[in-house]
Parts: sequence; C-alpha cells; structure tokens
Amino acid sequence: ETGVTQSPTHLIKTRGQQVTLRCSSQSGHNTVSWYQQALGQGPQFIFQYYREEENGRGNFPPRFSGLQFPNYSSELNVNALELDDSALYLCASREGTDEQYFGPGTRLTVT
Amino acid sequence: GENVEQHPSTLSVQEGDSAVIKCTYSDSASNYFPWYKQELGKGPQLIIDIRSNVGEKKDQRIAVTLNKTAKHFSLHITETQPEDSAVYFCAASGGSYIPTFGRGTSLIVHP
Repeated sequence: ETGVTQSPTHLIKTRGQQVTLRCSSQSGHNTVSWYQQALGQGPQFIFQYYREEENGRGNFPPRFSGLQFPNYSSELNVNALELDDSALYLCASREGTDEQYFGPGTRLTVT
Repeated sequence: GENVEQHPSTLSVQEGDSAVIKCTYSDSASNYFPWYKQELGKGPQLIIDIRSNVGEKKDQRIAVTLNKTAKHFSLHITETQPEDSAVYFCAASGGSYIPTFGRGTSLIVHP
C-alpha cells in the first residue's frame, strides 16, 4: 500500500451539483496529480500541483479546479456535474522527478 | 501530445506460462516508461519502470524492454501466478513527468 489516501471512497451526486474530493499525499511528496479513470480506460491526467501552484493541466474544462495546501494535501473540485463525470478519480503524489504513487481513488457516480 | 497504444486488451494464460504486453508511443521526447498493476477496487500500483538510457530492466519475474528507435516497450511476466491477474497499464512521459497511459490489458491467469 502507498501512503496516499483519498476521501470519500464512494460518492453519489446529482447532475448540476458540485463535489469536492480530497487527497493526502505520501509523506515528503511535494507534487500531487489528479486523474480521471472512466470504466475500462486508462487514467486521464486532469492537473498537477507543485508547492501549491498548478503547473500542468490536461484537456479538462475549467469547472474542474483544485487546490494544494501547505502540508501538500490536495482537493479536486468539480462544478456543474455532468453524467459523463462519473468515474474513478485518482490522486497521485511524488517527490521531484521520482516515480509517482497512486491512492485508492474515489468512485463518483452522477445521476 | 503523446499517444500510447497498448495491446492486447485482454490476455488469458495458464498458470506458469509467460505473458507479454506491448505498448507503442508517439513522442520521441518521452524518456520515462512506468508500468502499473491495478487490482479491482484499488488504485494503480507501480510495478516496474524504465528510463530511456536503459534497454532492459528486470525485477524477479517481471522485465521491461525498451526500443527507442521503434518507440515501443514491453512488459514480460514469467511463471505467471493467479495473483498476477489484474489490469496492467503502460505509460510514457517526458520532461513534464506527466504520464500518458495506455488503455490497459486485462491479464487473466487460470490455475
């Protein structure tokens, strides 16, 4: 098991609502990335934070936003939820250029 | 951007057989190639990685090979065991250390 934790484990929301997912990085890791994994697909990169600044973003609309805190924990916020946002959301952390470690994910269902 | 193709999508083997999963990438600037194993209900777990200055890397029953000229890399698992059954993802990344993932291979090892 990695030291990356995510909450909640599962979440059900209604279309149009907003959601906040949380991630606690592995100790000492200053970079956190968020991924969306649809069923049967590989993880798709959403964005990355390094020392509280976003320093990389994938092909996701602005209603996907995030934060990284001084203790390197992180949040993913999604506004105006759509049915296609239903997926497993993964957080991964790393230190510098080293390999990254994934958390167990949050399963989001939008109805 | 980077594009990673992974084959096969499903691989069924008998316990004790070898399994090979192949990936190709498009961006010649990619220099880091990790492989992840994802079990049901869990996040991806890094199992082995290779950097572009190395052609082959082994770790017990797992090996990865890289052909930079042809832009392809492969995962080899020998003496497969039922607990090797999972979805395996290849990925490629460059200077940003943000990986692009393949679509995954579901490996089934029959006892």
